[in-house]
Amino acid sequence: QSVLTQPPSASGTPGQRVTISCSGSRSNIGSNGVNWYQQLPGPAPKLLIYGDNKRPSGVPDRFSGSKSGTSASLAISGLQSEDEADYYCAAWDDSLNGQVFGGGTKLTVL
Amino acid sequence: EVQLLESGGGLVQPGGSLRLSCAASGFTFSSYAMSWARQAPGKGLEWVSTIGGSGDTTYYADSVKGRFTISRDNAKHTLYLQMNNLRAEDTAVYYCGKGLELLHWGQGTLVAVSS
Repeated sequence: QSVLTQPPSASGTPGQRVTISCSGSRSNIGSNGVNWYQQLPGPAPKLLIYGDNKRPSGVPDRFSGSKSGTSASLAISGLQSEDEADYYCAAWDDSLNGQVFGGGTKLTVL
Repeated sequence: EVQLLESGGGLVQPGGSLRLSCAASGFTFSSYAMSWARQAPGKGLEWVSTIGGSGDTTYYADSVKGRFTISRDNAKHTLYLQMNNLRAEDTAVYYCGKGLELLHWGQGTLVAVSS
């Protein structure tokens, strides 16, 4: 059971906008920045969003992050087939004194 | 270009030990915390440990506390993870990452714990 809760799956059609939620608590999302990672089949994960809503260089602006209270969301607009991947949220947890991940969401592009 | 290259994985019996290494290049190594994360076969990501830039601050997941030790050699730009008393549930691909936020990831090294 992961400390951060994500839906196990999500789907959308090309061009559509999809959001993935991540629910936590006051000690993690409520107190610290949220990061989002993309893991395509095979390769290592890649950082998509850090500090709730910042994009590393090279990440398309189709990807955006937001946070409200103890929940965060990743939005993907203009969905493309190459976006089919697993997506994970993560945040530092002040009570556990460690990083916690969500269980991951498998995004399918129909 | 940031590059992280893990090594040291392999097959080990329960109760055994392994030391993983992560050679870093393309950034000022000593200026960044470094982390280890892992992914068991068919499972999600799990944070394992983080060490501060100077090496004097360390953090561990409860699942590895007391068995794993993270360290670094800033002169060699290398991160380490000493894993002792390994268990079957430690079987995973181990990734090193730049920073607490895992800004960049290596390609991973597979650790298999089995008799």
